[in-house]
Amino acid sequence: GESVGLHLPTLSVQEGDNSIINCAYSNSASDYFIWYKQESGKGPQFIIDIRSNMDKRQGQRVTVLLNKTVKHLSLQIAATQPGDSAVYFCAENPAGGGADGLTFGKGTHLIIQP
Amino acid sequence: DTGVSQNPRHKITKRGQNVTFRCDPISEHNRLYWYRQTLGQGPEFLTYFQNEAQLEKSRLLSDRFSAERPKGSFSTLEIQRTEQGDSAMYLCASSQHAGPHNEQFFGPGTRLTVL
Repeated sequence: GESVGLHLPTLSVQEGDNSIINCAYSNSASDYFIWYKQESGKGPQFIIDIRSNMDKRQGQRVTVLLNKTVKHLSLQIAATQPGDSAVYFCAENPAGGGADGLTFGKGTHLIIQP
Repeated sequence: DTGVSQNPRHKITKRGQNVTFRCDPISEHNRLYWYRQTLGQGPEFLTYFQNEAQLEKSRLLSDRFSAERPKGSFSTLEIQRTEQGDSAMYLCASSQHAGPHNEQFFGPGTRLTVL
């Protein structure tokens, strides 16, 4: 079936470097995408979202890029800090699906090395 | 704390027992969602409510699972005759607006272990 997935299970970066986390989705009807951060023992925390009529959106230290042609989503984190260590999930909300439940990918574990 | 709260945070039970979890959403939010998350996986959608009405159920929600939101505020998720495969983190989320473009705020989850 259609699903949202991630390319890498673990990403290790040096503190201060920029991080890029990638996500591939297969439902071309999806019109809304979200990145969540989940720390150990906690629920997912909203980071940033993007609608399908946009290809880029920026937040504080984070940027989400959407390439609908190849159905690819990425999260860029600038100047990573120790507090950025977590599992990052992309999620989609398929258009016209009736339910507003999100479909999540498997997650990328971001490790920040000092 | 004005976020989504869930109780209990941890539950250990024996196979065959019934368990019930509670979720208190953010007060002005009219949508409430339940998800299940197993280790190393992303959350999987189970069901959601618009006020007190349960509008959608995933095929993951077997007949042993039942969710209620009687007054449109807090919600309960009950699992009857628990099985070891039910062991997971059960997450609740709420959102303020209807429609597909809404930010869902998640609670800390209830971790269920079925022995």
